[in-house]
Amino acid sequence: DTAVSQTPKYLVTQMGNDKSIKCEQNLGHDTMYWYKQDSKKFLKIMFSYNNKELIINETVPNRFSPKSPDKAHLNLHINSLELGDSAVYFCASSQDRIRGPYGYTFGSGTRLTVV
Amino acid sequence: QKEVEQDPGPLSVPEGAIVSLNCTYSNSAFQYFMWYRQYSRKGPELLMYTYSSGNKEDGRFTAQVDKSSKYISLFIRDSQPSDSATYLCAMSEIKAAGNKLTFGGGTRVLVKP
Repeated sequence: DTAVSQTPKYLVTQMGNDKSIKCEQNLGHDTMYWYKQDSKKFLKIMFSYNNKELIINETVPNRFSPKSPDKAHLNLHINSLELGDSAVYFCASSQDRIRGPYGYTFGSGTRLTVV
Repeated sequence: QKEVEQDPGPLSVPEGAIVSLNCTYSNSAFQYFMWYRQYSRKGPELLMYTYSSGNKEDGRFTAQVDKSSKYISLFIRDSQPSDSATYLCAMSEIKAAGNKLTFGGGTRVLVKP
């Protein structure tokens, strides 16, 4: 049973399109995150939701919009895709009040290629 | 300048050797230090975590933190080919919710049989 699952695993799309990535966790965690890993392997946080409330919103173009329908799900919608959006997007979850920053579980990533 | 610096490697060692990895950081508010391992096309998985300065050992892995020098290290003893992966250091301040991890760029390690 996958703890943090992301769909799709691979996404190839043309510039200008709109796409969504979905994430679900079955760990009962209260906080979920989106991270972006670029071609040089740098992982950088984009957003975080705690019990459906947005608590971290880093400097990310407003073409990126997260949505958390419930605390087990966090989706990422990207409008007007650009070449520079090509990266691997990781979803993660944690139980902050119990394990703090040690409790992250990452999904296996969505590899987005914009052509 | 990035908040966390890590040599990208690759670091190539023969099987059985000690692998030595390190990161430097500039933000003195970081209190939590972690090492993640990432295999190709997989998500990062937590290997070690430490809070204070000093050493922490877990099997073949030893993590060291020197807050005065803003320097952390990971040592892997008796390295195995299965240790070949990218190793990422990560750091965090402490917050009640939304513990943002700041990562280094990762060091690619190759352990040759």
